[in-house]
Amino acid sequence: QKEVEQNSGPLSVPEGAIASLNCTYSDRGSQSFFWYRQYSGKSPELIMFIYSNGDKEDGRFTAQLNKASQYVSLLIRDSQPSDSATYLCAFRESNFGNEKLTFGTGTRLTIIP
Amino acid sequence: SQTIHQWPATLVQPVGSPLSLECTVEGTSNPNLYWYRQAAGRGLQLLFYSVGIGQISSEVPQNLSASRPQDRQFILSSKKLLLSDSGFYLCAWSLGSKNTIYFGEGSWLTVV
Repeated sequence: QKEVEQNSGPLSVPEGAIASLNCTYSDRGSQSFFWYRQYSGKSPELIMFIYSNGDKEDGRFTAQLNKASQYVSLLIRDSQPSDSATYLCAFRESNFGNEKLTFGTGTRLTIIP
Repeated sequence: SQTIHQWPATLVQPVGSPLSLECTVEGTSNPNLYWYRQAAGRGLQLLFYSVGIGQISSEVPQNLSASRPQDRQFILSSKKLLLSDSGFYLCAWSLGSKNTIYFGEGSWLTVV
């Protein structure tokens, strides 16, 4: 059973600070990693995806991938109250022809004004 | 641009009653389609996925079934609901196996 591990939180961060969300995965062959944001009672929405080792930046968001350590993280700079949500990490399993995207249970983030 | 819609948004059903949730995707052809369930306090669980009309793969044994009668239509059904079927059901789509998955608005199901 391939898995994603996330700290469920809650993680509290002051407004304007950097929020750091972490995720480890069990499928060493996986090539695709995703971060979704889910507001309470709503469906998940894609924030970023990353395929290559290193950092990928998009506005205030930076995804970091370390395949050797099987570790992916999401940094949110200049955190805003609107960033308060649950953040889901996901990876696409590496089995040929397998269409499955496996999700973690999510980290609940609260930005404190 | 592509859009995905699912309905109904919320429903309350008695134990033993049937279920039908419907999802359609617009603005694309031959998408991969998915049904996920999110139970309270738990992660997203993949229930079914489909790579084409009439092609359904089931991830977990359960009393639910899925069908894809048309290219952009995906239906989740049950003949007799259980209390444990309560949860947030999400339809999703992607283009090919390498692309990102996008979710619909979700359907809240409460079985009473």
